[in-house]
Amino acid sequence: DTAVSQTPKYLVTQMGNDKSIKCEQNLGHDTMYWYKQDSKKFLKIMFSYNNKELIINETVPNRFSPKSPDKAHLNLHINSLELGDSAVYFCASSHLRDTGGYTFGSGTRLTVV
Amino acid sequence: AQTVTQSQPEMSVQEAETVTLSCTYDTSESDYYLFWYKQPPSRQMILVIRQEAYKQQNATENRFSVNFQKAAKSFSLKISDSQLGDAAMYFCAANSGYALNFGKGTSLLVTP
Repeated sequence: DTAVSQTPKYLVTQMGNDKSIKCEQNLGHDTMYWYKQDSKKFLKIMFSYNNKELIINETVPNRFSPKSPDKAHLNLHINSLELGDSAVYFCASSHLRDTGGYTFGSGTRLTVV
Repeated sequence: AQTVTQSQPEMSVQEAETVTLSCTYDTSESDYYLFWYKQPPSRQMILVIRQEAYKQQNATENRFSVNFQKAAKSFSLKISDSQLGDAAMYFCAANSGYALNFGKGTSLLVTP
């Protein structure tokens, strides 16, 4: 019973393509997040949704569009992929302002060629 | 805004020895929480330990403990009796609002 599951785990695609990464959590959390981990392992928040509403939208190109159909799902759609989008993308969930920390998915390694 | 700084890109420790990973942070919040996450080569993010800023007592989880110095805004992680399985990237993180902010990580090598 995976708590936060992301699909796919690996994604290789050509420049200019559009791709989506899906995320689902079964923990009953009300907040979900997308993080990007670059080649130097730095983790940076991209988006955060609380009860399907966007509450954090960091400086991210508008080619990235999150969508939250319900509290348990947060998908990430990326248009016109560029080489610099290659990274590992992590989904996470928590209760808002939870002291217990976040639960992370296993990550999606995106490679743009 | 918060910033989290890990000044040690790499650390090395021998099996069974003790190692301390450093972390400092900057925040204007009065209520916040601090975390250490471990990321092994499998890339899974694993919560190691957490600390509520309002608690003076340092958190401990088995071989892992923290030294929380609130006035100095310092939050170091001590790993005792190091094991080969402790080899990983370790990230310090702070949360006082709507997201975790991470440091750049420390790569820990454990040698036999």
